[in-house]
Amino acid sequence: NAGVTQTPKFRILKIGQSMTLQCAQDMNHNYMYWYRQDPGMGLKLIYYSVGAGITDKGEVPNGYNVSRSTTEDFPLRLELAAPSQTSVYFCASSLAGQETQYFGPGTRLLVL
Amino acid sequence: GNSVTQMEGPVTLSEEAFLTINCTYTATGYPSLFWYVQYPGEGLQLLLKATKADDKGSNKGFEATYRKETTSFHLEKGSVQVSDSAVYFCALSDLPGGGADGLTFGKGTHLIIQP
Repeated sequence: NAGVTQTPKFRILKIGQSMTLQCAQDMNHNYMYWYRQDPGMGLKLIYYSVGAGITDKGEVPNGYNVSRSTTEDFPLRLELAAPSQTSVYFCASSLAGQETQYFGPGTRLLVL
Repeated sequence: GNSVTQMEGPVTLSEEAFLTINCTYTATGYPSLFWYVQYPGEGLQLLLKATKADDKGSNKGFEATYRKETTSFHLEKGSVQVSDSAVYFCALSDLPGGGADGLTFGKGTHLIIQP
């Protein structure tokens, strides 16, 4: 099993550009999450999903959008990139009823 | 709201030293507690967890005991190795049966083990 995969690994964006961070899992997990990790800080939840077609906001959703059309995929969209969105983004998944989350390797985003 | 407080790093130790990384939490209800580890260039991995008071989680020589009276979940290891160098995150989930709205993380503690 590949687990949770994320692409790209690293990206540089100019202010105002848009991009989609991809996340996929092959563990048939119901729940999926997007976090951001700023330097010296813990992870902050951006959005989460409890199943295909269902998404909800986390602690820091502004500037982001998500969709969940399949169980496997949970892309994160940045519409108008801002320097404040420079961060490392982690996708995670878990089974419903299970508290352990499984993380992808992360996407490092730099907005200049 | 929920919060997790960890000791500030970096923590630098010599190989075979005893390790303690402090973690305290604030939560409503009875949270489950976790330690995640992040090795350089990788995502987070679950190291250990405890789901109720007085439970002890353990893995790879690391241990942590859920102390409800002191709202703590300190991470310990008797003899650290260079390969333990990583960032360690304490986290909690306060929803029974799984945190559908995610985990609450501490800021992380960078551990450096010198040969």
